[in-house]
Amino acid sequence: NAGVTQTPKFQVLKTGQSMTLQCAQDMNHEYMSWYRQDPGMGLRLIHYSVGAGITDQGEVPNGYNVSRSTTEDFPLRLLSAAPSQTSVYFCASSPGTGSSYEQYFGPGTRLTVT
Amino acid sequence: GNSVTQMEGPVTLSEEAFLTINCTYTATGYPSLFWYVQYPGEGLQLLLKATKADDKGSNKGFEATYRKETTSFHLEKGSVQVSDSAVYFCALSEKGTAGNKLTFGGGTRVLVKP
Repeated sequence: NAGVTQTPKFQVLKTGQSMTLQCAQDMNHEYMSWYRQDPGMGLRLIHYSVGAGITDQGEVPNGYNVSRSTTEDFPLRLLSAAPSQTSVYFCASSPGTGSSYEQYFGPGTRLTVT
Repeated sequence: GNSVTQMEGPVTLSEEAFLTINCTYTATGYPSLFWYVQYPGEGLQLLLKATKADDKGSNKGFEATYRKETTSFHLEKGSVQVSDSAVYFCALSEKGTAGNKLTFGGGTRVLVKP
């Protein structure tokens, strides 16, 4: 199993540009999520999905869109990038939706918006 | 709302020293508690977890006990190695929520010197 994969690893955008961060998992996990990591703030939840066709907002959803058309993929879209979105983005998946389930994280995408 | 507070780093230790990282939490219900570790350039991976009061999680020589009376989940290791150099995150996931959303502390960087 490849686990959770993310592409690209690094990206530089100009303010106002759009892009999609890709995330895929091959473990048939129901639950997938996106976090952003900023210095001293830990990880904060952006959006999550409890199954194909079902998504919901996390703590910091503004400026981001998601969709989940398949179990495997959960892309994160930035429609109009802003410098405040400079961060490291992590995708995660989990085999269940209960609170005791471990989450498996991808290697991250480092995004810089100039 | 939920929150997790952990000691700020960096924590610098010599090899074979004793490590403690304090973590306290605020939650409205009865959360599951986790320690995740992030090695340089990688995503997060689960180190240990505890799902109810007085549970002790352990892995790779690390231990943490779920203390409901003090709302704490401190991480300890008796003898650290250089390979333990990483950022450690305390996190909680509250039972009964839709999806297993994680709330993270700010992370504690640990540097172990030979």
